[in-house]
Amino acid sequence: GAGVSQTPSNKVTEKGKYVELRCDPISGHTALYWYRQSLGQGPEFLIYFQGTGAADDSGLPNDRFFAVRPEGSVSTLKIQRTERGDSAVYLCASSPQGGWPYEQYFGPGTRLTVT
Amino acid sequence: GIQVEQSPPDLILQEGANSTLRCNFSDSVNNLQWFHQNPWGQLINLFYIPSGTKQNGRLSATTVATERYSLLYISSSQTTDSGVYFCAESDSWGKFQFGAGTQVVVTP
Repeated sequence: GAGVSQTPSNKVTEKGKYVELRCDPISGHTALYWYRQSLGQGPEFLIYFQGTGAADDSGLPNDRFFAVRPEGSVSTLKIQRTERGDSAVYLCASSPQGGWPYEQYFGPGTRLTVT
Repeated sequence: GIQVEQSPPDLILQEGANSTLRCNFSDSVNNLQWFHQNPWGQLINLFYIPSGTKQNGRLSATTVATERYSLLYISSSQTTDSGVYFCAESDSWGKFQFGAGTQVVVTP
């Protein structure tokens, strides 16, 4: 079956612009996670959804970052007034339910470049 | 939160060689996992290994929880083993804390 998909695969934007990154989880997975991976680093947690609600958004770096999952499936990560420091690969993962023993499946990521 | 340190940061291997990657953590772990990120960026789960030893083909992992470290062994390395290997600990919600990774390059 289909895995986690993310669109776009690459996004180049100018400093100060608004961007939206989309994640399509595996069908039926209730848990969805967003991570950010800077060059040469491991992924860093941003936000976790269980169903439609954000169960943990403690990793969002500031109020320019926001994410939604209105119908409990597709999620959108929104970044306002982008800064060059936001350049990174944004990864999405989904899981049948949150927590162990449910395995997380990662998408291919969206590479965001802010010029 | 828990701190995860990985070593070495980089590793260059000739095809057929064996290697050991290490992960140290600052606190006790309950849900330690090893991942492989291929050169195209795809992250794949390798092992769930909070304690003990597991093997999967040419890869095996051992976690000594009391001493707060885990090891990943690659035997008879192949070029397809290239990529970045991460260890990570997750909390009860499945939120991962990743190490910085070990970049492995296997040369023919």
